Amino acid sequence: DQQVKQNSPSLSVQEGRISILNCDYTNSMFDYFLWYKKYPAEGPTFLISISSIKDKNEDGRFTVFLNKSAKHLSLHIVPSQPGDSAVYFCAASGRGNNRLAFGKGNQVVVIP
Amino acid sequence: DAGVTQSPTHLIKTRGQQVTLRCSPISGHKSVSWYQQVLGQGPQFIFQYYEKEERGRGNFPDRFSARQFPNYSSELNVNALLLGDSALYLCASSLDRGLGDTQYFGPGTRLTVL
Repeated sequence: DQQVKQNSPSLSVQEGRISILNCDYTNSMFDYFLWYKKYPAEGPTFLISISSIKDKNEDGRFTVFLNKSAKHLSLHIVPSQPGDSAVYFCAASGRGNNRLAFGKGNQVVVIP
Repeated sequence: DAGVTQSPTHLIKTRGQQVTLRCSPISGHKSVSWYQQVLGQGPQFIFQYYEKEERGRGNFPDRFSARQFPNYSSELNVNALLLGDSALYLCASSLDRGLGDTQYFGPGTRLTVL
């Protein structure tokens, strides 16, 4: 059972434009959410996180939005840069521990 | 400071063999978790260790086992390897094991079972 879902497996965007990645979750016990970026042959790199007490968290070019009622979160990258080309994973944890449930990932390609 | 390190980077085994993967956490981190990532999927939680004790286990068979040492490094063992065990095995460390404690991942060990 996939508790964290990322649809639209791939996304192409022009350099300088906004990239928007979406993530849905089914487990209402999740209350901490993270985004990781992964390059080939490397481990996932932490990007940004948000707890369920917030609806928005911003860090430089990256902003994560959380809609708890819809069990939906999104990652906005603006402006997109060629170095952002990677696979992005949405992850969630809850119930007093930090074991992560991951989505399948979104491939982002930023076109120069 | 060094990040999470894992060894070996690549490994090729045959069905039925046993394998041991190693992980060293970020200095000061007491929690280590293991994940399995098969092609086209996100990482899947296998184990979490904190202060040398198992604190969580994912939906994996008993062929998978792990331990954590006094220096907080960890080993993942897989016995009686199956073709389906071919995957990238990721280790992550965090300061603690509680909610909101960010996990930082190593580069992974690529295991191929023939």
